[in-house]
Amino acid sequence: KQEVTQIPAALSVPEGENLVLNCSFTDSAIYNLQWFRQDPGKGLTSLLLIQSSQREQTSGRLNASLDKSSGRSTLYIAASQPGDSATYLCAALPQGGSEKLVFGKGTKLTVNP
Amino acid sequence: DTEVTQTPKHLVMGMTNKKSLKCEQHMGHRAMYWYKQKAKKPPELMFVYSYEKLSINESVPSRFSPECPNSSLLNLHLHALQPEDSALYLCASRGWETSTDTQYFGPGTRLTVL
Repeated sequence: KQEVTQIPAALSVPEGENLVLNCSFTDSAIYNLQWFRQDPGKGLTSLLLIQSSQREQTSGRLNASLDKSSGRSTLYIAASQPGDSATYLCAALPQGGSEKLVFGKGTKLTVNP
Repeated sequence: DTEVTQTPKHLVMGMTNKKSLKCEQHMGHRAMYWYKQKAKKPPELMFVYSYEKLSINESVPSRFSPECPNSSLLNLHLHALQPEDSALYLCASRGWETSTDTQYFGPGTRLTVL
């Protein structure tokens, strides 16, 4: 059974700092891995999706990497801004035609001005 | 347009009421999802429709009844809910091509059951 873990549960950094959010998964048989952002009381916003055959994806100040052999993904945020404050969720989609995303519990990020 | 819309944004209902949540997408996606999210928890999958047919039902109580009238619309009918059903209900859709594999989520409906 796939389990996804995100560490740390909460992170507070000063504005301008580069930071890394971690996501680990127990079963390397994934179809893709997706990073989401969620603001309080809002829906999820897709940030980056990495297919199982890919190593990384980039969008603006965000870079996500995937290492299936070690069961890890990281989300790198460069030059953090207060507007980046949110909860970040990673989710793995298992191979084999499953439609069920397996979510981590999220990392709550606070960027202080 | 990568938008999933949900109505209403907020809903307050009594335990004897019948109400419906609505979700719509116009991205040509063939899979649509209902999730339930409690505070400080990740979303929990409730139902998946694939090509307008129910493909996953995560043993959700029968007081929740999904409906997919067509490939763009997804409803969730609510009846005789309990206070513990209060949560954020999220709809999502997903395409089948590698380029559209992303699950796109709507803004959610905040449901309060009194």
